[in-house]
Amino acid sequence: DAGVTQSPTHLIKTRGQQVTLRCSPKSGHDTVSWYQQALGQGPQFIFQYYEEEERQRGNFPDRFSGHQFPNYSSELNVNALLLGDSALYLCASSLTGHTNTEAFFGQGTRLTVV
Amino acid sequence: DAKTTQPPSMDCAEGRAANLPCNHSTISGNEYVYWYRQIHSQGPQYIIHGLKNNETNEMASLIITEDRKSSTLILPHATLRDTAVYYCIVRAPGDGGYNKLIFGAGTRLAVHP
Repeated sequence: DAGVTQSPTHLIKTRGQQVTLRCSPKSGHDTVSWYQQALGQGPQFIFQYYEEEERQRGNFPDRFSGHQFPNYSSELNVNALLLGDSALYLCASSLTGHTNTEAFFGQGTRLTVV
Repeated sequence: DAKTTQPPSMDCAEGRAANLPCNHSTISGNEYVYWYRQIHSQGPQYIIHGLKNNETNEMASLIITEDRKSSTLILPHATLRDTAVYYCIVRAPGDGGYNKLIFGAGTRLAVHP
């Protein structure tokens, strides 16, 4: 049973560029959440996708956008990259409609903006 | 903001029990306590959760005080592979798909030989 997979594992981008990160949820899961983790800090919630729509959003600017596909996989897009966007980006999948189920995380994508 | 307070770091000898405290004095009556851990450069991993009763699984035990204002995660026989950052999170019940996780800074546990 495949867990949550993210790609790429590492990425280096230049300030001002755009980046797309990808996530495939755990088999059977329909909900994908994205988190940003700066060095030395806990993960911060960016947004969550369910039924191909953004359902919840954290305190992140509109430069951060996403998409969910019919197969439940998801993309995180960041435009106009800033040096401060350098972080580990984590994807978590879960199952809507089930009480108190835990979220499963991928290994993350390490984004470095130079 | 995170609703929990944890010590920033702890040490534990290999083979001994690791007891990680968490303060959640503003927890609501229906909120659960969840624990996750994050080994270096990996995604967080679910450990255990509970409401008011003590819970045990193959990874750890969770002890919640009677007033629910604090809890302790117990790793009964710590190994070097348990070295990680441990996060205590309070979360409302209900649909598991909706509730986002609000992480604090966590406790960095170092298990040494």
